[in-house]
Amino acid sequence: DAKTTQPPSMDCAEGRAANLPCNHSTISGNEYVYWYRQIHSQGPQYIIHGLKNNETNEMASLIITEDRKSSTLILPHATLRDTAVYYCIVRFSTDSWGKLQFGAGTQVVVTP
Amino acid sequence: EPEVTQTPSHQVTQMGQEVILRCVPISNHLYFYWYRQILGQKVEFLVSFYNNEISEKSEIFDDQFSVERPDGSNFTLKIRSTKLEDSAMYFCASIQQGDTQYFGPGTRLTVL
Repeated sequence: DAKTTQPPSMDCAEGRAANLPCNHSTISGNEYVYWYRQIHSQGPQYIIHGLKNNETNEMASLIITEDRKSSTLILPHATLRDTAVYYCIVRFSTDSWGKLQFGAGTQVVVTP
Repeated sequence: EPEVTQTPSHQVTQMGQEVILRCVPISNHLYFYWYRQILGQKVEFLVSFYNNEISEKSEIFDDQFSVERPDGSNFTLKIRSTKLEDSAMYFCASIQQGDTQYFGPGTRLTVL
């Protein structure tokens, strides 16, 4: 699976959009970008995933650049409960049963 | 919404003792996983399980570890002779069919 690079931390004001970047410059054509988050000491929680088109669900939006070398997770209106570590993970579409390989992620702190 | 459950939430044991961590995956899910997270470190894959056998295991998953699906609902992780370094959060996850992994809340294992 391609390697991902994320900033170690970022702050966000409550009510504002949080834009979380992820670089995956070695991504291949059949690798998906997944985002999970982990609220302190809880189990990781799935947020969203995509291949090349932008995706949106009730939690977030995922913007993938045209060359697919980077992506941005957008939390449109951050709340205090969004404080968590956010993980960007790249994995093959043919490996949807396989293990998730977590990196260090981005620690997001939402402040009042 | 169905969820993965884990028991106990916290287990304290003496070094050298056997422990069994229990998970109840989501009922129609087919693949099951164990991950662990040592305090302050990344979430690490231990093992995946499908059709009553191990699909993949990591280097961490040595002979001291075993997994079992003793009935139609439970999925267990056994550590035969615990070491101090086994102290961690242990997360169970399950997946239906090429879908996203759903994680349980975790069991905190403390080895004294």
